[in-house]
Amino acid sequence: GQQLNQSPQSMFIQEGEDVSMNCTSSSIFNTWLWYKQDPGEGPVLLIALYKAGELTSNGRLTAQFGITRKDSFLNISASIPSDVGIYFCAGQALAGTYKYIFGTGTRLKVLA
Amino acid sequence: KAGVTQTPRYLIKTRGQQVTLSCSPISGHRSVSWYQQTPGQGLQFLFEYFSETQRNKGNFPGRFSGRQFSNSRSEMNVSTLELGDSALYLCASSPPTGGLHNSPLHFGNGTRLTVT
Repeated sequence: GQQLNQSPQSMFIQEGEDVSMNCTSSSIFNTWLWYKQDPGEGPVLLIALYKAGELTSNGRLTAQFGITRKDSFLNISASIPSDVGIYFCAGQALAGTYKYIFGTGTRLKVLA
Repeated sequence: KAGVTQTPRYLIKTRGQQVTLSCSPISGHRSVSWYQQTPGQGLQFLFEYFSETQRNKGNFPGRFSGRQFSNSRSEMNVSTLELGDSALYLCASSPPTGGLHNSPLHFGNGTRLTVT
């Protein structure tokens, strides 16, 4: 199946550190979404991006829609133990459809 | 506001059987999408329904089907189950946006299907 390139695949960080992850695509996207998934639960929407260059924050999270429309970035500042989980990006290529392509996920572990 | 509700949470079936999964979207959401999540393939799009009509379909065999009811609730069915169908099946609903931009997906907690 189709998936977006997401990196890093996993990361261990110390509590209080900042985290960066990104997604890249060979196709142009109209929408980028970022999700967090905890074990045994469905993905929870963190941030939605709709315009190239758009920078949006949600608390300690900041995401950007790349200028080329082929990538997106998620930053987490001052990480805390509850940030642990798997983060997914999702992109939508065709406007008006609801077919999202998901990234391979970044597994984040925070060391207290 | 209640979130997306999926039932059952867990299912164990044997090869060759069929299964039906249910999804109730967030109130006011009329679009319902289904995704399959596996460790190897990640999240893969199955299909999307709006106003009881399938608008988009992913690259899955015809054994995977779905439908949507007039109250926006949706079901998906998998017939002739195979071992490879073991996965977490996620349903997501999307709010109307008035055409301003694309709608984000709001997921339920999924149904974990195990085929033995």
